[in-house]
Amino acid sequence: DTGVSQDPRHKITKRGQNVTFRCDPISEHNRLYWYRQTLGQGPEFLTYFQNEAQLEKSRLLSDRFSAERPKGSFSTLEIQRTEQGDSAMYLCASSFPGGRWGYTFGSGTRLTVV
Amino acid sequence: DQQVKQNSPSLSVQEGRISILNCDYTNSMFDYFLWYKKYPAEGPTFLISISSIKDKNEDGRFTVFLNKSAKHLSLHIVPSQPGDSAVYFCAALKAAGNKLTFGGGTRVLVKP
Repeated sequence: DTGVSQDPRHKITKRGQNVTFRCDPISEHNRLYWYRQTLGQGPEFLTYFQNEAQLEKSRLLSDRFSAERPKGSFSTLEIQRTEQGDSAMYLCASSFPGGRWGYTFGSGTRLTVV
Repeated sequence: DQQVKQNSPSLSVQEGRISILNCDYTNSMFDYFLWYKKYPAEGPTFLISISSIKDKNEDGRFTVFLNKSAKHLSLHIVPSQPGDSAVYFCAALKAAGNKLTFGGGTRVLVKP
């Protein structure tokens, strides 16, 4: 297990299309987080899971966004009816409960909506 | 509202000298503060953290200082090396919430 994996690394889509991203966390970590980063900004929290339970969602996560973590393993983030404002880097991270030792982030999925 | 702020978007320093990165926060309920380093096309990597009950934590060339009364923390890198050139993010965490809140980042360029 070499870290947090995200797929795809890059996605270009037309406005109005649906996209889905996948995150495979470190297997021992039971917490999984999704963040979004736009140019020149720090990562912004979207949602997090403990095992398969989605415990918190940011108000940034509109009803076009949905995240799942079936069986507490990998997670998917789906964006429906994409808009140009959705263009960003989507980062996934995992951790043990307590996080003060730091999350482990994946390399992210860069989404471009044209 | 931006609870964690990094007011310097960039910093340039000569190799071997000290780099000082600053971060301010507004929420006194944060329990831990962390610094992350990010290279292009990679995710942020954890660098160093400090508990809100401490005022200093040191790890090799990296030292983080926390001034709770001023709601301010800083990261010192000494000596700076060209490989330290990256974007550095300050982040804060409430132990109960387990959600990191990030600042906007500071881009550091270490010149040989």
